[in-house]
Amino acid sequence: GAGVSQSPSNKVTEKGKDVELRCDPISGHTALYWYRQSLGQGLEFLIYFQGNSAPDKSGLPSDRFSAERTGGSVSTLTIQRTQQEDSAVYLCASSPGGAQYFGPGTRLTVL
Amino acid sequence: AQTVTQSQPEMSVQEAETVTLSCTYDTSESDYYLFWYKQPPSRQMILVIRQEAYKQQNATENRFSVNFQKAAKSFSLKISDSQLGDAAMYFCAYRSAGEGGSEKLVFGKGTKLTVNP
Repeated sequence: GAGVSQSPSNKVTEKGKDVELRCDPISGHTALYWYRQSLGQGLEFLIYFQGNSAPDKSGLPSDRFSAERTGGSVSTLTIQRTQQEDSAVYLCASSPGGAQYFGPGTRLTVL
Repeated sequence: AQTVTQSQPEMSVQEAETVTLSCTYDTSESDYYLFWYKQPPSRQMILVIRQEAYKQQNATENRFSVNFQKAAKSFSLKISDSQLGDAAMYFCAYRSAGEGGSEKLVFGKGTKLTVNP
């Protein structure tokens, strides 16, 4: 079956602009996660959804970051007023419980 | 808070040989999962193997096996008969399994594995 998909694959934006990153989880997976991967910080957890609710948002680095999930499926991570330190690969994963399965990521570059 | 440590930033192995990647973790929980993920240059994180803490038997997936030492909080990955396609970054990860625990993965910094022909 289809794996986790993310779009866009790459995004280049100017400092101060808003960006939206999309994640389509594996069908039937109730849990969805966002992580950020950067050279300096490694792999960091951002937020976790169970269905449409987010029981753990502890990893969101600032109030410029938000995420939502609709219909227990697609999730969007929004970064407002992007800064250069937001440049990273944003990874999405989904899970039926236990192991998490990752998408290919979105590479965000903020100029 | 849980932490995961991979003490080997880089490792290399000859094709067809065996290599072991180290991982230690720190937790006060008794119920958890441990994982090894592989990330080739394509960026896609691929699940290699998983271990439930309550299981004493070490997990095995084809050429990949783990040595899980719960008391020592050690979780090493052994790759047998190494192949050129095994070259990648390998990440060790921890996840709580108990009720009310966070479901997030906590990752180590990774080990870059090079396979020499």
